[in-house]
Amino acid sequence: KQEVTQIPAALSVPEGENLVLNCSFTDSAIYNLQWFRQDPGKGLTSLLLIQSSQREQTSGRLNASLDKSSGRSTLYIAASQPGDSATYLCAVRHSGQNFVFGPGTRLSVLP
Amino acid sequence: DGGITQSPKYLFRKEGQNVTLSCEQNLNHDAMYWYRQDPGQGLRLIYYSQIVNDFQKGDIAEGYSVSREKKESFPLTVTSAQKNPTAFYLCASSAYGGEAFFGQGTRLTVV
Repeated sequence: KQEVTQIPAALSVPEGENLVLNCSFTDSAIYNLQWFRQDPGKGLTSLLLIQSSQREQTSGRLNASLDKSSGRSTLYIAASQPGDSATYLCAVRHSGQNFVFGPGTRLSVLP
Repeated sequence: DGGITQSPKYLFRKEGQNVTLSCEQNLNHDAMYWYRQDPGQGLRLIYYSQIVNDFQKGDIAEGYSVSREKKESFPLTVTSAQKNPTAFYLCASSAYGGEAFFGQGTRLTVV
């Protein structure tokens, strides 16, 4: 059974720092991996989708990488801002189309 | 505006009562999902549907029921058999193998 973990569970950084969030999964036979952010009391907002054949995806200050063989993905956030404060979740998908979510990393960016 | 709409935003249920949460999407997605989120826990899959008139149980389907009579709609009923229904409920949809999009959630409270 696929298990997804995220490290660290929580992170607090000063504004302007570059940071890396980690996502690990136990079964490397994934179809794709998606990163989301969730603000308190809100739904999930899609950030980046990486297909299994891709190594990375970029959107603005965000860059996500995927290493299927080692079961790892990282989300890199450049020049962090207070507005980046949220919980970040990764989810992996197999060919059966269901997602398995990690527990999330709670990020606080201090002004 | 394309997206997923969940209603209501807040819902209160009395003991022994069934309640229905609405989820509508206009993204023309085939797959739709219901997740439950409890404080400090990850998302857990309740039900999913990959095509109209077909749906499958997820990890925590007991006490819940769904229908998929139209492509755009995937309502979730929380029955009186669900003994601990207080949670945040999230609906999602995706095209086959594509990016998943989430609604803004419904917070259900037992009173």
